[in-house]
Amino acid sequence: SAVISQKPSRDICQRGTSLTIQCQVDSQVTMMFWYRQQPGQSLTLIATANQGSEATYESGFVIDKFPISRPNLTFSTLTVSNMSPEDSSIYLCSGDAGLVKDTQYFGPGTRLTVL
Amino acid sequence: DAKTTQPTSMDCAEGRAANLPCNHSTISGNEYVYWYRQIHSQGPQYIIHGLKNNETNEMASLIITEDRKSSTLILPHATLRDTAVYYCIAGKLTFGTGTRLTIIP
Repeated sequence: SAVISQKPSRDICQRGTSLTIQCQVDSQVTMMFWYRQQPGQSLTLIATANQGSEATYESGFVIDKFPISRPNLTFSTLTVSNMSPEDSSIYLCSGDAGLVKDTQYFGPGTRLTVL
Repeated sequence: DAKTTQPTSMDCAEGRAANLPCNHSTISGNEYVYWYRQIHSQGPQYIIHGLKNNETNEMASLIITEDRKSSTLILPHATLRDTAVYYCIAGKLTFGTGTRLTIIP
């Protein structure tokens, strides 16, 4: 199984600023994903991080707001840009488990509070 | 992608088997059933998946009905650490609201 770590684990940010979250996997994975979990709610997929090409965003999420990098098969970053209080959420990354499509390992999440 | 229906919450006594039901009546023939759980303040954890046959691993058993319209996740000897939200997913990985399972001492 893959172990996924995220940095930072939590942060408190001011409105209008940006935060970059890092996701590191301890082994190579084909697919990496970024999710958002708003307070008291379930997970929502933001985008699929593609190695060597632009991320694939889900409906309602755009690159200007959530730019994503994936420079290699073990690392990805998500930036939350021009933050507002509505961006306060837990942000989670995941990587495919290589078992069968849609089995994933998740990181512990980054708890973001925007003031 | 198939929609799933799960009870909002369940309780189970510690040491007993926890049986979590899931309906996925619109599942198509090539769609897998996945179970994940999320313990408070942690990321989701993969538990098990299956297509047609029943499956068992070190964490749980998955029983899928012959018509594949429903399934049951079984935690054979529930412990307090099994208290979590359990997500049943059919097809593409889309998280619903899940079942909040509370293990009672």
